[in-house]
Amino acid sequence: AQKITQTQPGMFVQEKEAVTLDCTYDTSDPSYGLFWYKQPSSGEMIFLIYQGSYDQQNATEGRYSLNFQKARKSANLVISASQLGDSAMYFCAMREDVRDYKLSFGAGTTVTVRA
Amino acid sequence: DTEVTQTPKHLVMGMTNKKSLKCEQHMGHRAMYWYKQKAKKPPELMFVYSYEKLSINESVPSRFSPECPNSSLLNLHLHALQPEDSALYLCASSQAPDRGLVQYFGPGTRLTVL
Repeated sequence: AQKITQTQPGMFVQEKEAVTLDCTYDTSDPSYGLFWYKQPSSGEMIFLIYQGSYDQQNATEGRYSLNFQKARKSANLVISASQLGDSAMYFCAMREDVRDYKLSFGAGTTVTVRA
Repeated sequence: DTEVTQTPKHLVMGMTNKKSLKCEQHMGHRAMYWYKQKAKKPPELMFVYSYEKLSINESVPSRFSPECPNSSLLNLHLHALQPEDSALYLCASSQAPDRGLVQYFGPGTRLTVL
């Protein structure tokens, strides 16, 4: 079964607008971590934001925020005030056990920011 | 500093060549990873080294041979590759799982096998 589902293959957003990237996950482990990475066309995977399953508050990092809805098993990424440099592929990922090295990645969402 | 460096950036090799990819980090991380990524797909884990010992091998063909000479360096030795091995190879590092969770990635090596 798919552990991470990203249902939006591609999205267009106007510069300076906000965009929400969907991510749902599937785990029975009570302790897990959720991550978002950005991958521009250059190839480097850039870590954006992390949310732990026991964290009470939604994670925020600058223009990135994670809308964590535990009961719905969703961890959507919100990018506010989009910039042209935000055009990239975005991957949601999960680690199910704090002792586990492995990340389960979603299929990714391509975001294109229009001027 | 969250930098992981990889060399070379691009590599073209024939099926009979032997080459190596290199990865370096100076963040004091004790876990290092190799991933393979095909275009428009998520990365696939190949190997994990923890405290310089091979911890995970995701059933990778023996034509890929990892090596961890010390806690800062990770190599991937390539021999007799196939055209389908052409991909972006990403290195990552993290603290040991029980101490930290974020994997930091390098810029990758784009490998083409002719």
